Amino acid sequence: SQQGEEDPQALSIQEGENATMNCSYKTSINNLQWYRQNSGRGLVHLILIRSNEREKHSGRLRVTLDTSKKSSSLLITASRAADTASYFCATVPRTGANSKLTFGKGITLSVRP
Amino acid sequence: ETGVTQSPTHLIKTRGQQVTLRCSSQSGHNTVSWYQQALGQGPQFIFQYYREEENGRGNFPPRFSGLQFPNYSSELNVNALELDDSALYLCASKVGGQETQYFGPGTRLLVL
Repeated sequence: SQQGEEDPQALSIQEGENATMNCSYKTSINNLQWYRQNSGRGLVHLILIRSNEREKHSGRLRVTLDTSKKSSSLLITASRAADTASYFCATVPRTGANSKLTFGKGITLSVRP
Repeated sequence: ETGVTQSPTHLIKTRGQQVTLRCSSQSGHNTVSWYQQALGQGPQFIFQYYREEENGRGNFPPRFSGLQFPNYSSELNVNALELDDSALYLCASKVGGQETQYFGPGTRLLVL
């Protein structure tokens, strides 16, 4: 079953603009991760935020986590055409198999040159 | 490149057949997980292997089974294929205890 729900389902922006993607989840988590997938290929890990963290940065990426609202957001600043891809949030549960990622359905991001 | 490879890249089978998919993990990665991704959906966790033992399973029937070998390569076996098994199958590896997993490029399975 899907745990995360990303919002919006699709996003189209102009190169240079910022892209904000949101994710909500249902259960207690150990950490939340964001992945990128190009054209139905393998997933690329972007950033991880632990349940006791509120914000993390990595290059042009900024992720926030609000455990009280069970939500996270991913901000990509100064977007590029190469950022066009599907983006998924995935949660790791507080207990159980520590590799079990529960993914949302994903957000399709299109960056127009 | 994540250092995780999968074979074959594409596969076509007919309903009722059996299939074996293979994954070669990064060197030193003793944990491997398998995921099924249907078209337009997020990946769904099938199971996890740690040091050759299954130690976590998602909501998949027993006809989905796996193996992990001493060199940490692994297999996913699916018996009695159904049309709904058509999907992209992804494996991911990591060092046990670490949080970041590394995904392979996937095997796309089509069941006719």
